[in-house]
Amino acid sequence: GAVVSQHPSRVICKSGTSVKIECRSLDFQATTMFWYRQFPKQSLMLMATSNEGSKATYEQGVEKDKFLINHASLTLSTLTVTSAHPEDSSFYICSVQRAGMDTEAFFGQGTRLTVV
Amino acid sequence: QKEVEQNSGPLSVPEGAIASLNCTYSDRGSQSFFWYRQYSGKSPELIMSIYSNGDKEDGRFTAQLNKASQYVSLLIRDSQPSDSATYLCAVRGGGNKLTFGTGTQLKVEL
Repeated sequence: GAVVSQHPSRVICKSGTSVKIECRSLDFQATTMFWYRQFPKQSLMLMATSNEGSKATYEQGVEKDKFLINHASLTLSTLTVTSAHPEDSSFYICSVQRAGMDTEAFFGQGTRLTVV
Repeated sequence: QKEVEQNSGPLSVPEGAIASLNCTYSDRGSQSFFWYRQYSGKSPELIMSIYSNGDKEDGRFTAQLNKASQYVSLLIRDSQPSDSATYLCAVRGGGNKLTFGTGTQLKVEL
């Protein structure tokens, strides 16, 4: 069965509005979750690491005030794209992995965001 | 400079043939290596993981790792049309972060 549940799978929003994406770890408690973005025909780019009970760690070039991450519990992380613009249209994917180095990452179903 | 490199393809192989996918990485301290398959419009799914030098086999898939050469590969035997997808190589370095290659598009032709 699925290890990670992400929704919505697809969302269309107007420019200037905000969109919230949820990522749930179904199989185990996850103190850390990861958020990726993927543009067409490109690879996954890590946006930020979501840490339960503390601030997220953002990768260089990712605006923390635009991409708000909340990791309020051990099984739920949310990514909010604020004041969305057409250039934010992309495929957003979350992942979780068990503690330890030799563990696989499991991915959510992904969210296709289209900003019109 | 890219940290994980893959040939973007497309790599075309006939049905039943062996598909060979390659990946090189720049961080010598990397310890964990993964191959993911991604169908168009879908999120990646794990195919293989490998942590030590040598070969690791799972069904039709074999992952090969050579840390001295900083090289990891994936062989798919008896390729099927359903194997047609983009294959992403991922490497885990410090901070438990995964770095992905750009992926190789595989097309298995009837």
